[in-house]
Amino acid sequence: AQTVTQSQPEMSVQEAETVTLSCTYDTSESDYYLFWYKQPPSRQMILVIRQEAYKQQNATENRFSVNFQKAAKSFSLKISDSQLGDAAMYFCAYNTPLVFGKGTRLSVIA
Amino acid sequence: EAQVTQNPRYLITVTGKKLTVTCSQNMNHEYMSWYRQDPGLGLRQIYYSMNVEVTDKGDVPEGYKVSRKEKRNFPLILESPSPNQTSLYFCASSQQGSYNEQFFGPGTRLTVL
Repeated sequence: AQTVTQSQPEMSVQEAETVTLSCTYDTSESDYYLFWYKQPPSRQMILVIRQEAYKQQNATENRFSVNFQKAAKSFSLKISDSQLGDAAMYFCAYNTPLVFGKGTRLSVIA
Repeated sequence: EAQVTQNPRYLITVTGKKLTVTCSQNMNHEYMSWYRQDPGLGLRQIYYSMNVEVTDKGDVPEGYKVSRKEKRNFPLILESPSPNQTSLYFCASSQQGSYNEQFFGPGTRLTVL
């Protein structure tokens, strides 16, 4: 069965600094998708970024980017210029089927 | 407005009393699914549906039922709820398959006494 591991249950970052959240996964598939979802205190799940495994280029969405290392089965999320609104739970997910990691709680310090 | 709605948002019930949590989406999505979220465990998939009349088990289906009679609706049924089903439940939908962005409902907080 596919598994997704987020080794950092909690992290903190100073406002305006950069933070990287780690994620590793286990699969025997060659074609798949990876996601990072954000869950703020409102509990709403919001897609942050999506990566297709067959694409070499790392996905980027504004201040959010990923470091996708297919051979190492690693999919880390980098948040640049952290803002107070970035404070949330972040979940890494692998597909298919859709499997979530246990999450990393990010705190942003003003 | 494109959205996934869930009802109720909060529910406190007692062991054994059948309940249904409704889920509806207005985006004409084929794929719908249910997850439960528990502290320290992340989100775990309960059931999913690739299209009308097509449903399949996820990772934690025991104690739950679903149906997909219409494209827009995907209710979650607990025939005989137990305290270990106390959790936060999310419904989600996406175009075609789970490889696309999942649009999540606001969540249903269920407490079974």
